[in-house]
Amino acid sequence: DTGVSQDPRHKITKRGQNVTFRCDPISEHNRLYWYRQTLGQGPEFLTYFQNEAQLEKSRLLSDRFSAERPKGSFSTLEIQRTEQGDSAMYLCASSFRLAGGRTDTQYFGPGTRLTVL
Amino acid sequence: AQTVTQSQPEMSVQEAETVTLSCTYDTSESDYYLFWYKQPPSRQMILVIRQEAYKQQNATENRFSVNFQKAAKSFSLKISDSQLGDAAMYFCAYRTGVSTGKLIFGQGTTLQVKP
Repeated sequence: DTGVSQDPRHKITKRGQNVTFRCDPISEHNRLYWYRQTLGQGPEFLTYFQNEAQLEKSRLLSDRFSAERPKGSFSTLEIQRTEQGDSAMYLCASSFRLAGGRTDTQYFGPGTRLTVL
Repeated sequence: AQTVTQSQPEMSVQEAETVTLSCTYDTSESDYYLFWYKQPPSRQMILVIRQEAYKQQNATENRFSVNFQKAAKSFSLKISDSQLGDAAMYFCAYRTGVSTGKLIFGQGTTLQVKP
């Protein structure tokens, strides 16, 4: 396993621009999560997928945010019309949950640090 | 709603000594999981240890162990024989036992290890 990878690692953009981040989970992991982490704080849940289905979205995920996971493989997180308040580290995690299983361990990627000027 | 609180923003420990990081949580659920994650500077988060709420026995992983007090809703992490590589931000996290897998994190504790 090569682990969870995220691209890009750093993104600087101007307010109002659109940005897209990519996450490649560990192969065979059926769950994929997105979190946002601001400086000095713990990560906050944004959304998660079971295979290609987006099963839960946080209230933090405004209409400007959209996430996809086509074919249940990699995932993208797009932020439209970025605002300075969007500046944060965006973390992706993946896990494998057996059907009917109770638990899984989330493995995190290195994150994408977004700076909105 | 569930909340996780880490009341120690920073802690320090001498190399080879023992340190305990505190975590409390609030929930009305009886079925849940608790985790400690480690986030080294500029590196990705890794799982340190996990505890299932239905298990009374405290989890241990080598030098890391927890003190799980379900009635008090307390979940502390003890690091024995601290090493320089233990220096990191430590996050306590809660996960409900139902189908959603989202983690709810505390604010984190920065651990400094002094040589």
